[in-house]
Amino acid sequence: NAGVMQNPRHLVRRRGQEARLRCSPMKGHSHVYWYRQLPEEGLKFMVYLQKENIIDESGMPKERFSAEFPKEGPSILRIQQVVRGDSAAYFCASSPPEGQRNSPLHFGNGTRLTVT
Amino acid sequence: AQSVTQLDSHVSVSEGTPVLLRCNYSSSYSPSLFWYVQHPNKGLQLLLKYTSAATLVKGINGFEAEFKKSETSFHLTKPSAHMSDAAEYFCVVSDRGSGNTGKLIFGQGTTLQVKP
Repeated sequence: NAGVMQNPRHLVRRRGQEARLRCSPMKGHSHVYWYRQLPEEGLKFMVYLQKENIIDESGMPKERFSAEFPKEGPSILRIQQVVRGDSAAYFCASSPPEGQRNSPLHFGNGTRLTVT
Repeated sequence: AQSVTQLDSHVSVSEGTPVLLRCNYSSSYSPSLFWYVQHPNKGLQLLLKYTSAATLVKGINGFEAEFKKSETSFHLTKPSAHMSDAAEYFCVVSDRGSGNTGKLIFGQGTTLQVKP
């Protein structure tokens, strides 16, 4: 039973380019969360999605960042016109659907974005 | 509002000696509390969780934590450290006030060093 799969593991982008981070949740999980970890810090919540719906994006920067979780395929976190301050580890987590809300989140191994 | 404070940014112990990683929480609600471990360049693994059942929670790899409401603490302990325990440890509370139970609030992390 595969866990949460994130790719790529490492991503290098030059300032001004776009970064696309992908996340496939665990089998049977329909809720996806994105977190960002800046160097020497804990993780910070960014966005919570269900299939085709953004439920909570209170942690997303207002500009350049967007997320989607289409009906088919992985969830995508997109960062446009990246800047050096976007360099971080981005983690995806998933959880089961409603009715299993006490289940903890399962995290992927993260995508480490470096902006040069 | 919920928050967690990890009282030590760095803890160093000798192999075979006890481990204590301290965490205090603040919550307006009956909290759900977790400890996660992160090994270098890896994702997060759940060690244990407290969700208002028994106050002494046993987790994986010999770790346990005790929920003390009077002290608003949720310290992580292990009787005997192993070299493989060296990692970053995060105390986490679920942000129930947001209505999004997958919105986790992370502490700053404690780096555990285990000396031979």
